[in-house]
Amino acid sequence: DAMVIQNPRYQVTQFGKPVTLSCSQTLNHNVMYWYQQKSSQAPKLLFHYYDKDFNNEADTPDNFQSRRPNTSFCFLDIRSPGLGDAAMYLCATSREDYSGKWTDTQYFGPGTRLTVL
Amino acid sequence: KQEVTQIPAALSVPEGENLVLNCSFTDSAIYNLQWFRQDPGKGLTSLLLIQSSQREQTSGRLNASLDKSSGRSTLYIAASQPGDSATYLCAVIKIYNTDKLIFGTGTRLQVFP
Repeated sequence: DAMVIQNPRYQVTQFGKPVTLSCSQTLNHNVMYWYQQKSSQAPKLLFHYYDKDFNNEADTPDNFQSRRPNTSFCFLDIRSPGLGDAAMYLCATSREDYSGKWTDTQYFGPGTRLTVL
Repeated sequence: KQEVTQIPAALSVPEGENLVLNCSFTDSAIYNLQWFRQDPGKGLTSLLLIQSSQREQTSGRLNASLDKSSGRSTLYIAASQPGDSATYLCAVIKIYNTDKLIFGTGTRLQVFP
């Protein structure tokens, strides 16, 4: 019954060692999002895909990249993780009509907690 | 720039109390407002979504109100239970930028038996 799935739930990496987090959805939603959430802070949008169109937030570091090979899957790549990148990474999906006139609520996955040693 | 603020940052109440969580936003040109619940170390669960044309939404013991003109929303929780303990986040979507949720920093609620 899971709708937005994130793997792994916990990821430990070393300083500077590339890491990939994955997200999949069974909702067939056209929009997928990646958020970073640090302790006691609000989720911060990194980027999102509107279908295959990639939308990067202006303050997202170049260290963060994303891929969406198909509707169901989206990946977050951190090329050279630093200590400051340790956080919870949340994937979300939503359904938005193509005129932008309406948007459904966002459905969140359980998150991947990234630790950088 | 839209800013979302939640007060209080933390709240601890005995079981059974009715309580109100507050959310304020600086730009009233919103598409909708949502309340989410986040349990420790977990993702977000949508509780209530209020469209900009609506004044309130109800789900079980939860009632959310929206006053766009004053830039405020409240989440009312009736007869609180220990299972309600979590962080509650409000978020708005701006008109003409409907891809993006702008979150408040949350209210951490603890309900003790």
